[in-house]
Amino acid sequence: QVQLVQSGDELREPGSSMKVSCRTPGGTFSAYAVVWVRQAPGQGLEWMGGIIPLFGLTKYAQRFQNRVTITADESTSTSYLEVSGLRLEDSARYYCARATGDYQLAGGDYHYYFMDVWGKGTFVTVSS
Amino acid sequence: SALTQPASVSGSPGQSVTISCTGTDSDVGNYDYVSWYQQSPGSTPKLVIQDVNHRPSGVSARLSGSKSGNTASLTISGLRAEDEGHYYCASYTTSGTLLFGGGTKLTVL
Repeated sequence: QVQLVQSGDELREPGSSMKVSCRTPGGTFSAYAVVWVRQAPGQGLEWMGGIIPLFGLTKYAQRFQNRVTITADESTSTSYLEVSGLRLEDSARYYCARATGDYQLAGGDYHYYFMDVWGKGTFVTVSS
Repeated sequence: SALTQPASVSGSPGQSVTISCTGTDSDVGNYDYVSWYQQSPGSTPKLVIQDVNHRPSGVSARLSGSKSGNTASLTISGLRAEDEGHYYCASYTTSGTLLFGGGTKLTVL
């Protein structure tokens, strides 16, 4: 059973940045995409973006385009989510998940269909 | 904006409930890539339906998915106490991203 291992909870100040990690042990890292989903306390799930390490392609939800960077290190089978300019409302649990999708030949792009394996999440508290 | 789901549904043990998920022609209506996730209290989301109506291995046959026009649905038959929790739909969109619904809280009476 594939498990995604996420980094520990964090406390950050408003205006600072956060960087959380997600490791995929077991050698399947490059075969799948990794996406990031966040969930504020008592709220729903919000898809932030993803990366397909095999092609080095990223895609972001429009509302996160300017503040979020997703990267992947194939040598350590680890994906990273970085969010800059943190606000109080960014306090949330940040999940990584393995995603299935398709490479689009026409646009040289990767499209996402669903997530089948999830990490336990990293809680980030933004507070002064 | 998010796909539209009812805030809550409920049913008695043994009954069936259906959760709707309404989108637009830019997501649910034009693609058969709707997925559903179950989140029990304090737990990580779990994929229960992919590609509108396919159950991943290990998911109970009491759960089924369907779609008509811009609305997808998740039906849970033979309700059990263990089915309680939140259910989220998600759909592929024209831009290649995924979009979640607001979530539905299922209560087993």
